[in-house]
Amino acid sequence: QQQVKQSPQSLIVQKGGIPIINCAYENTAFDYFPWYQQFPGKGPALLIAIRPDVSEKKEGRFTISFNKSAKQFSLHIMDSQPGDSATYFCAASFSGSARQLTFGSGTQLTVLP
Amino acid sequence: NAGVTQTPKFRVLKTGQSMTLLCAQDMNHEYMYWYRQDPGMGLRLIHYSVGEGTTAKGEVPDGYNVSRLKKQNFLLGLESAAPSQTSVYFCASSYGEGNEKLFFGSGTQLSVL
Repeated sequence: QQQVKQSPQSLIVQKGGIPIINCAYENTAFDYFPWYQQFPGKGPALLIAIRPDVSEKKEGRFTISFNKSAKQFSLHIMDSQPGDSATYFCAASFSGSARQLTFGSGTQLTVLP
Repeated sequence: NAGVTQTPKFRVLKTGQSMTLLCAQDMNHEYMYWYRQDPGMGLRLIHYSVGEGTTAKGEVPDGYNVSRLKKQNFLLGLESAAPSQTSVYFCASSYGEGNEKLFFGSGTQLSVL
């Protein structure tokens, strides 16, 4: 049973655009929501993460928006660049579970020059 | 600093053969994980360990075994490989609860014919 649903599966934007990737979760015990970025042939790398006590977190051009009541969170990439072209995964975990991450299915982002 | 190192990077097996994937980390991390990545399914947890000498099952453990005899190493074994185990395998590690950032290796591409 997939506990974290991610959309869209793929996304194409022009340079400078603002791609938005959405995730929804079911387990209300989740208390840590990271986003990972993966380039072809590489392992995923942590991009940004949020906990449910805040509704938004920004790091550079990347922003997570979190809606606890709707059990949804999203990644926004401001002023996107061709170098941002990668696969993005949302994930979630909760305390006491050895911090096992449940991943979304991934979004392949292409930023056109 | 090497981080998380996986060997081998590529391997082709015949159905029924066995093999061991090795993961080594030099960050003194307590927690270690094995994930498999399949198209459209994100990353799914196979087994994990919260410390030397401990192992536990993840979401998709069938057909795999693990061992963590030393804190820095986490081995994933396939006793009798099946075509369904064709995948990209990633090892990851973290400090644990309170510092959940996962560091991933570069992956092992395994094909079972």
